[in-house]
Amino acid sequence: GENVEQHPSTLSVQEGDSAVIKCTYSDSASNYFPWYKQELGKGPQLIIDIRSNVGEKKDQRIAVTLNKTAKHFSLHITETQPEDSAVYFCAASGPYNFNKFYFGSGTKLNVKP
Amino acid sequence: GAGVSQSPSNKVTEKGKDVELRCDPISGHTALYWYRQSLGQGLEFLIYFQGNSAPDKSGLPSDRFSAERTGGSVSTLTIQRTQQEDSAVYLCASSFSLAVGGGELFFGEGSRLTVL
Repeated sequence: GENVEQHPSTLSVQEGDSAVIKCTYSDSASNYFPWYKQELGKGPQLIIDIRSNVGEKKDQRIAVTLNKTAKHFSLHITETQPEDSAVYFCAASGPYNFNKFYFGSGTKLNVKP
Repeated sequence: GAGVSQSPSNKVTEKGKDVELRCDPISGHTALYWYRQSLGQGLEFLIYFQGNSAPDKSGLPSDRFSAERTGGSVSTLTIQRTQQEDSAVYLCASSFSLAVGGGELFFGEGSRLTVL
């Protein structure tokens, strides 16, 4: 089955700096890659997603890039703010069941004021 | 409410007891998922329901775990003869089918299970 790896597991940045989280996936048939943000005590919430027919997508301070050849995708957060502090998960849609998602292990982002 | 509702929010049980966790998905969502999140860990897929199709149970860790979805809406995850390693947060999510342009998972706040 699909295997999604995520790095780093923890990331600490100064407010205003950029943060980058990277994920790799194993199955080239996967075609949908969402990113979720989980705040303490809450369920994960979608922040951005990308489908395999595009290489980059941007939404204000958040962007996601996808390299299908290398099978990796990344989340970029610019001008980080303390409220960006949370756990971020990447995911890939299952190759043989496009409604089944495989999640990375998560990145705990700490933005220091 | 408009979101995914899970109950109970917290459950403490003794080893060997059975527990039931409930999920009320967003109305109209055809897909429903259960995930398990152990302390500081990622999301472990358990089971997936899509419409009237047979559920994908490939993530259930043992035969002590089962789930059903009645009437295409409410789902119950049952853990029999609980063990300490079952302690985790159990997250439910629902969505429209990815095949029809959906895909965003809407998660509940989870049910925290503690097995003593």
